Amino acid sequence: QKEVEQDPGPLSVPEGAIVSLNCTYSNSAFQYFMWYRQYSRKGPELLMYTYSSGNKEDGRFTAQVDKSSKYISLFIRDSQPSDSATYLCAMIDPDSNYQLIWGAGTKLIIKP
Amino acid sequence: DSGVTQTPKHLITATGQRVTLRCSPRSGDLSVYWYQQSLDQGLQFLIQYYNGEERAKGNILERFSAQQFPDLHSELNLSSLELGDSALYFCASSVLGQGVVGYTFGSGTRLTVV
Repeated sequence: QKEVEQDPGPLSVPEGAIVSLNCTYSNSAFQYFMWYRQYSRKGPELLMYTYSSGNKEDGRFTAQVDKSSKYISLFIRDSQPSDSATYLCAMIDPDSNYQLIWGAGTKLIIKP
Repeated sequence: DSGVTQTPKHLITATGQRVTLRCSPRSGDLSVYWYQQSLDQGLQFLIQYYNGEERAKGNILERFSAQQFPDLHSELNLSSLELGDSALYFCASSVLGQGVVGYTFGSGTRLTVV
């Protein structure tokens, strides 16, 4: 079993829809939960990060962490075709020299 | 432009050959990380250097090696290449050596082994 599970998709939704992307993890010691966005043939770029359980909002994006359930989510409101990309979750493992542990990424397609 | 420069952007080579991928980190960043991304494996951490010294090692094959030079640029050497080594290779950089929230990634080198 992988330390971080993420459905690879693809997830296809119409423009304007609310998108929910999720990851589950196995190690309760994981810290700093991050979401990266990767466009085709580009490097990942950091979208948001959170440390504690709860919600963090940035424009159309909301990151949610539930440490008790070991579950994190990224919500995208009013989705746009430009949001079409692969979204990767990542988190820091303090037991492995604070390295990032990555999800497999979910490919998101927003249909105009 | 993220500030992390990777060269070359594309590389096509034959099995058994050796190649060198180069990465220049963002100005001021001391850490360099190398990742491999293939379709069926996702983003795999290979190795990290911090200010010239190896800091952490991930799933890096013995045929692969890396180093970070005094000017902080890094090179990833891939030898005895196999078809399965075809992938995108990303370099990322950060200021600190550990506990970092968020790296800056380069655009990657696409390696095709034929």
